[in-house]
Amino acid sequence: DTGVSQDPRHKITKRGQNVTFRCDPISEHNRLYWYRQTLGQGPEFLTYFQNEAQLEKSRLLSDRFSAERPKGSFSTLEIQRTEQGDSAMYLCASSINREGTEAFFGQGTRLTVV
Amino acid sequence: AQSVSQHNHHVILSEAASLELGCNYSYGGTVNLFWYVQYPGQHLQLLLKYFSGDPLVKGIKGFEAEFIKSKFSFNLRKPSVQWSDTAEYFCASRTGGGNKLTFGTGTQLKVEL
Repeated sequence: DTGVSQDPRHKITKRGQNVTFRCDPISEHNRLYWYRQTLGQGPEFLTYFQNEAQLEKSRLLSDRFSAERPKGSFSTLEIQRTEQGDSAMYLCASSINREGTEAFFGQGTRLTVV
Repeated sequence: AQSVSQHNHHVILSEAASLELGCNYSYGGTVNLFWYVQYPGQHLQLLLKYFSGDPLVKGIKGFEAEFIKSKFSFNLRKPSVQWSDTAEYFCASRTGGGNKLTFGTGTQLKVEL
């Protein structure tokens, strides 16, 4: 499968624990995005990388959230001191830096904070 | 800030019925528009996109959408739905030259046999 890959698919954690998700984009894609989707809502933008540079962050991304893309390939999203309100589907997407192209999405990581 | 409105949250149709899902966006400048579909248990997939040119856009699986600038709309249509079209449909916008997508809340479509 050469699509966007996310790991793990599901994560259950206790409130206050830290979690880390991984995203592997399509190999030639230099743009990578993280979105969050809660029940009954569309995906909401969290952050965006072009190569290894994090170029935009949403105000939804509190200080407990950090994302990295150290070598411009895979990315990680870490949530520290998880709260029940962090329960959501975390989606990763990637795209080529070219006009007229769209973002390709992974299957997401479903986080449940208990 | 940009916003995207999808007015139909749940739609139930019989097979062979025609479909039209509404989408309105708020940005007044150059905008790119998308419809994504999410089949049960699968990832978001692109149905069609509009960047410029012909406002009537044809996508996969017989779907089409029409960009009407004066109405800030990008409604999705299909003349005859199939049971396999049961899915959640999301409209999204992106400002021209921008990076992030702004999604609507989605429309859950159920097609009954």
